[in-house]
Amino acid sequence: ETGVTQSPTHLIKTRGQQVTLRCSSQSGHNTVSWYQQALGQGPQFIFQYYREEENGRGNFPPRFSGLQFPNYSSELNVNALELDDSALYLCASSTGAPLNEQFFGPGTRLTVL
Amino acid sequence: ILNVEQSPQSLHVQEGDSTNFTCSFPSSNFYALHWYRWETAKSPEALFVMTLNGDEKKKGRISATLNTKEGYSYLYIKGSQPEDSATYLCAFLDNFNKFYFGSGTKLNVKP
Repeated sequence: ETGVTQSPTHLIKTRGQQVTLRCSSQSGHNTVSWYQQALGQGPQFIFQYYREEENGRGNFPPRFSGLQFPNYSSELNVNALELDDSALYLCASSTGAPLNEQFFGPGTRLTVL
Repeated sequence: ILNVEQSPQSLHVQEGDSTNFTCSFPSSNFYALHWYRWETAKSPEALFVMTLNGDEKKKGRISATLNTKEGYSYLYIKGSQPEDSATYLCAFLDNFNKFYFGSGTKLNVKP
């Protein structure tokens, strides 16, 4: 059974640029959630995708967007990067039922200069 | 904005001590409460998913209780070991399929 993987591990961008982060779900999982964790805080829910459709969204602006592919892998896109977007971005996959455990990837550390 | 509070923020105990910490959440629109353990340089790992008021779950030396009416959950670790050192996160799942995480309790167990 393959775990959740994320790429890249680290990324440095400048203000105003765009970034795409990638997540491969654990085998058999059809739901992916994305989180932003700023220093000293808990993960903040960005959105969730279930079978290629957005299935819940947190309080993030529209410049945070996502996709889920037929193989249930996922992308998080952030446009017009701001300094405050510097954070660890985590994805988590599950089988879709809300009561099921989420399995997290190792995260992507994004630094915006 | 929905608040999930965890206390204490950090905790230092000796090996063999038992410890507990708290997660407070809104009592309305409750769907489920998740507990995660996050070791440094690793991914968060699910410990428990709890849904029913009065629920109690156990995994080895770790257990958790849930009170949805008053909006809190306790996590207990019996006989702490150095390998229990980690940040423990709780996450509230509401009826609208949104997760709200607390900031975590960082536990350090000294040998």
